[in-house]
Amino acid sequence: EAQVTQNPRYLITVTGKKLTVTCSQNMNHEYMSWYRQDPGLGLRQIYYSMNVEVTDKGDVPEGYKVSRKEKRNFPLILESPSPNQTSLYFCASASPGVNTEAFFGQGTRLTVV
Amino acid sequence: LAKTTQPISMDSYEGQEVNITCSHNNIATNDYITWYQQFPSQGPRFIIQGYKTKVTNEVASLFIPADRKSSTLSLPRVSLSDTAVYYCLVGDTHGGSARQLTFGSGTQLTVLP
Repeated sequence: EAQVTQNPRYLITVTGKKLTVTCSQNMNHEYMSWYRQDPGLGLRQIYYSMNVEVTDKGDVPEGYKVSRKEKRNFPLILESPSPNQTSLYFCASASPGVNTEAFFGQGTRLTVV
Repeated sequence: LAKTTQPISMDSYEGQEVNITCSHNNIATNDYITWYQQFPSQGPRFIIQGYKTKVTNEVASLFIPADRKSSTLSLPRVSLSDTAVYYCLVGDTHGGSARQLTFGSGTQLTVLP
């Protein structure tokens, strides 16, 4: 089954404790991206990757890091989480071409206290 | 990337046809128009995509006038389960900019019994 898998689904952590949210896709997609969603602000893009070893900032990259060492994985790293990074996070993947259909993961609800 | 404007919210009743219009005045020649649906706490899901005129699939139709400065998503005979946020995206599917998949605020559709 074609899917994008995020882990964990829920996470509560403390300020300053480094964490990683994993994202994996099994569709051999070149493009992957991370979003955060907050009430009233919609989906905002954090980082995206056009291919292995190619990443670029989205609209709200501050406080986040990503890496793309292999095509299927695109982890989101919070080196020193802060309460303002409490949010619902989504990972997405897509293939190039005419159809821009993107596939999204189930979401990770992160709470930083 | 072309900016999009949608109504913030719409209400409808079960069984009615719902039309959601998106304005994209500065759409570029290579841009496609894509609509996504999002249920609470779930990732967005692709609904339909088009370039011009009319596109229809099993769940929706997309109407695009000749000037392509707007588009209308049409949902036939909505049910309570169609209550969701609907996003209109505009981008070049062949170029790098499409991969940013920038989401606007979306339209909250509420279907009433």
